[in-house]
Amino acid sequence: ELQLVESGGGLVQPGGSLRLSCAASGFTFSNAWMHWVRQVPGKGLVWVAHIDGDGTGTTYADSVKGRFTISRDNARNTLYLQMNSLRAEDTAVYHCARDRPGPQYYIDVWGKGTTVTVSS
Amino acid sequence: DIQMTQSPSSVSASVGDRVTITCRASQGISSWLAWYQQKPGKAPNLLIYGASSLQSGVPSRFSGSGSGTDFTLTISSLQPEDIATYYCQQGNSFPLTFGGGTKVEIK
Repeated sequence: ELQLVESGGGLVQPGGSLRLSCAASGFTFSNAWMHWVRQVPGKGLVWVAHIDGDGTGTTYADSVKGRFTISRDNARNTLYLQMNSLRAEDTAVYHCARDRPGPQYYIDVWGKGTTVTVSS
Repeated sequence: DIQMTQSPSSVSASVGDRVTITCRASQGISSWLAWYQQKPGKAPNLLIYGASSLQSGVPSRFSGSGSGTDFTLTISSLQPEDIATYYCQQGNSFPLTFGGGTKVEIK
């Protein structure tokens, strides 16, 4: 079974840091391009970041560029999102997601998400 | 960035009805469009990719069409389990962008 399980969310003060993890199973992780997508409860989906299979290529939404870093450990089948200088507007459920193999960018496997709350 | 605009924002229909949701891109994206279904408290689920290709395991009552800037998701016969919010997403270029969502309810 294809599975993505996020962890690491929680309550953090503005300006603080948090690292999210995503454990992948059921597929060859090192071949998979991966994304982080976030969603404020009751609101829409917002793409955050992407990383290619060997971790050498990354892309970010402008809203997180310079503050968030996506990375991966293929030996551990784990995806990460290091979040620094957190702001109230970063509060959301963060989903780890797999890019569907093939041309262009679609997401065919989603984790259930981990909740990040930025508040004093 | 490519803006994705969905309409309507909500639709109420009876079981068995045909439901159509539209999505417009702010610039041409060829056929690089996906549709997702999200039920309350759950992660999104890929329904359609490449504008019209049905993802494995998705019921055939779901279909997609369109190219360029205008796209459509159709549910041919609405079922109670289709109650959800539906999102389009352009897969043409970064940043990936989603439509605002369409909430489908049973009348």
